[in-house]
Amino acid sequence: NAGVTQTPKFRVLKTGQSMTLLCAQDMNHEYMYWYRQDPGMGLRLIHYSVGEGTTAKGEVPDGYNVSRLKKQNFLLGLESAAPSQTSVYFCASTRGYSYEQYFGPGTRLTVT
Amino acid sequence: EDKVVQSPLSLVVHEGDTVTLNCSYEVTNFRSLLWYKQEKKAPTFLFMLTSSGIEKKSGRLSSILDKKELSSILNITATQTGDSAIYLCAVAGSQSGTYKYIFGTGTRLKVLA
Repeated sequence: NAGVTQTPKFRVLKTGQSMTLLCAQDMNHEYMYWYRQDPGMGLRLIHYSVGEGTTAKGEVPDGYNVSRLKKQNFLLGLESAAPSQTSVYFCASTRGYSYEQYFGPGTRLTVT
Repeated sequence: EDKVVQSPLSLVVHEGDTVTLNCSYEVTNFRSLLWYKQEKKAPTFLFMLTSSGIEKKSGRLSSILDKKELSSILNITATQTGDSAIYLCAVAGSQSGTYKYIFGTGTRLKVLA
């Protein structure tokens, strides 16, 4: 039982490049979330999903897209990376809304 | 605007001390308040408090929710060096069908041997 996993763990991009971050959970959770964590800013919600095939915008969605084609996977895409997207990205899942979130180990992304 | 404020921002104590961390919130349609511990990587869950469960305790850690004052405290007694971490408070709320967790910026606790 791996819980929540994220790939990759680290990535360096040049401005304008694109990439996809993958989140997978094996707990059969309905809800999944993508956050970014920046110094002094806390965790901020980018996008979330309340079930397979659904997505919704969070607090800071601009510059990101997501997809939830399978219940266990939640993908975060950056179409044209910018230095302002340098951050640590965490994926999380919950069995239902307002319950405790289980977090993945994070992806450290640097955009130069 | 929804917000969660934690205090103090950082704290340095010695082993054996007792600490109290604070979290105050203004979040639309409050559903729950959660405490997490974050060491080097991902936050790990500590407690969830709701209107029907305003006090939780686990070992040396305990937490209380004050819905009237819109706040919560996290107490750690007999602190150990392994308690050194960032403690995050998050509040789950909703507005117009949008669900969200609002996180505070955390309290950084350092416990000295």
